Amino acid sequence: DVKVTQSSRYLVKRTGEKVFLECVQDMDHENMFWYRQDPGLGLRLIYFSYDVKMKEKGDIPEGYSVSREKKERFSLILESASTNQTSMYLCASSLGSRAQPQHFGDGTRLSIL
Amino acid sequence: KQEVTQIPAALSVPEGENLVLNCSFTDSAIYNLQWFRQDPGKGLTSLLLIQSSQREQTSGRLNASLDKSSGRSTLYIAASQPGDSATYLCAVGNYGQNFVFGPGTRLSVLP
Repeated sequence: DVKVTQSSRYLVKRTGEKVFLECVQDMDHENMFWYRQDPGLGLRLIYFSYDVKMKEKGDIPEGYSVSREKKERFSLILESASTNQTSMYLCASSLGSRAQPQHFGDGTRLSIL
Repeated sequence: KQEVTQIPAALSVPEGENLVLNCSFTDSAIYNLQWFRQDPGKGLTSLLLIQSSQREQTSGRLNASLDKSSGRSTLYIAASQPGDSATYLCAVGNYGQNFVFGPGTRLSVLP
């Protein structure tokens, strides 16, 4: 079974802090994704990566950056956390170059105070 | 830009009923469509994936159909159980690497 592991289930940070969310997958998938999920807005794509050191902006990249130094790891960075970034963050991975089945981690519930 | 909607937003049924969840999308040029289940506070679990060339997929009590021309997919759940209570999301795969998600249908199956 594919395993996508997010480093924290719950995280509380303060406004202005630099925040790192980590995601690791164990199935050698090329594609990795970061979403945020908010009530009434559903899942929105922040960034995705289709290869090591490659990244593409999703629908809502503002205030975020990403890093993919190794194939199995995809990091989401909040450069200067703000209260409107309080959300559930979900990481996913998939195989191949077309829309293949996505496998999700359990999510990180991030609160910015 | 692809937009995905799901009706109803919430559904409550007694145990044992058969039910249908609906998913609509605006752009019929899709690569595939995936149905997920999400339990409260958890990530998404993939249920079924239908390729654009297929009409339906089945897994146990679940059956998903796809009508690309009309921009619709349905998820049929037979003989519902309390353990089926969750939010169900559909996601449309475009001709790229990512999916566009619907807002979900929150299902409650009452014992």
